[in-house]
Amino acid sequence: DQQVKQNSPSLSVQEGRISILNCDYTNSMFDYFLWYKKYPAEGPTFLISISSIKDKNEDGRFTVFLNKSAKHLSLHIVPSQPGDSAVYFCAYPAGGTSYGKLTFGQGTILTVHP
Amino acid sequence: AAGVIQSPRHLIKEKRETATLKCYPIPRHDTVYWYQQGPGQDPQFLISFYEKMQSDKGSIPDRFSAQQFSDYHSELNMSSLELGDSALYFCASSTTGGLDTQYFGPGTRLTVL
Repeated sequence: DQQVKQNSPSLSVQEGRISILNCDYTNSMFDYFLWYKKYPAEGPTFLISISSIKDKNEDGRFTVFLNKSAKHLSLHIVPSQPGDSAVYFCAYPAGGTSYGKLTFGQGTILTVHP
Repeated sequence: AAGVIQSPRHLIKEKRETATLKCYPIPRHDTVYWYQQGPGQDPQFLISFYEKMQSDKGSIPDRFSAQQFSDYHSELNMSSLELGDSALYFCASSTTGGLDTQYFGPGTRLTVL
């Protein structure tokens, strides 16, 4: 039973445009989420996180939005760059805040074309 | 900045052999997590350690064992290897018993023939 779901296996975007990656979750008690980026043959790299006390968190070109009523979060990348091409995972920690084992979504492959 | 170190990066074994994967966390990180990522799958949690004690356990086969040593490095021991154990194995570390973001190593690619 996938508790965080990324329903889009892939996304293709032109350089300079916005990339929007989506993630849905099933348990309304989840209150902390993270996004990781993964290049081939490398480990996941932490990108950005969000707590349920916020509905938005921004870090440079990356913004994560949380819609608690819809149990949905999204990662916006603006402007997208070819180096952003990677697999993006949303994840939540079992500890409920920021700690504990991570459960990942299935991942979305982002391809940014020059 | 120092990152999580995993060794070896690649490992090829035969069925029924044993394998040992090593993880060296970021300095001053006291918590280590192990994840397994099969082909086309998301990473799955195996086991974690905090201050050398097992802190949580996921879907880790009984053929696998792990420990964290006094210098905080961790080893994942895998015995009676099966073809299905072929995967990427990631180690992640964090601070304060895990009350912080997990930072991942580059992974060990295990191939069982």
